[in-house]
Amino acid sequence: EDQVTQSPEALRLQEGESSSLNCSYTVSGLRGLFWYRQDPGKGPEFLFTLYSAGEEKEKERLKATLTKKESFLHITAPKPEDSATYLCAVQAAGQGAQKLVFGQGTRLTINP
Amino acid sequence: NAGVTQTPKFQVLKTGQSMTLQCAQDMNHEYMSWYRQDPGMGLRLIHYSVGAGITDQGEVPNGYNVSRSTTEDFPLRLLSAAPSQTSVYFCATNRGDRNSPLHFGNGTRLTVT
Repeated sequence: EDQVTQSPEALRLQEGESSSLNCSYTVSGLRGLFWYRQDPGKGPEFLFTLYSAGEEKEKERLKATLTKKESFLHITAPKPEDSATYLCAVQAAGQGAQKLVFGQGTRLTINP
Repeated sequence: NAGVTQTPKFQVLKTGQSMTLQCAQDMNHEYMSWYRQDPGMGLRLIHYSVGAGITDQGEVPNGYNVSRSTTEDFPLRLLSAAPSQTSVYFCATNRGDRNSPLHFGNGTRLTVT
């Protein structure tokens, strides 16, 4: 069974304090790994897709990396507006692009 | 350009009542899907559609019904609501190819008492 586990469940940082969020996965052939950001009362917003081990993608203060077993979302010098829940999801080989398996999310709070 | 629009935003039902959650998109995406989000659990796929007239079950389909008569609309029906269906429901769309991520609406928060 395909599974995604995110850690930690919650993370509180001071503004400017860099850290990483973890997404561990087991899947029968990875077709894609997705990162989303979700603000309270809103739907998830797409950030990145990673397809193969060693791949990296960056957007502003965020960088996503991928290995064969996990993905990391690195946050460099975060600002209060980076506070949100970050979701990781995988698409298994042979599954359609709408059939994602999601982790429980990491709730990130950045204090000014 | 609204993207994915879900109505209503909030709903309270009594056990046994029925209702339809609406989802409309103006992105011209072929694929549409319904997910539910519960505390401590990841988003879980309920039903999905790869085009008008075509629907299929996801991970947690029991108690829900869908149909897709147009590209734009994909309503989710609860025929007889149960407290276990208390959740936040998200509609999502995408093109369906490998490079097309899901685009989500802002959700419907449903409480069944």
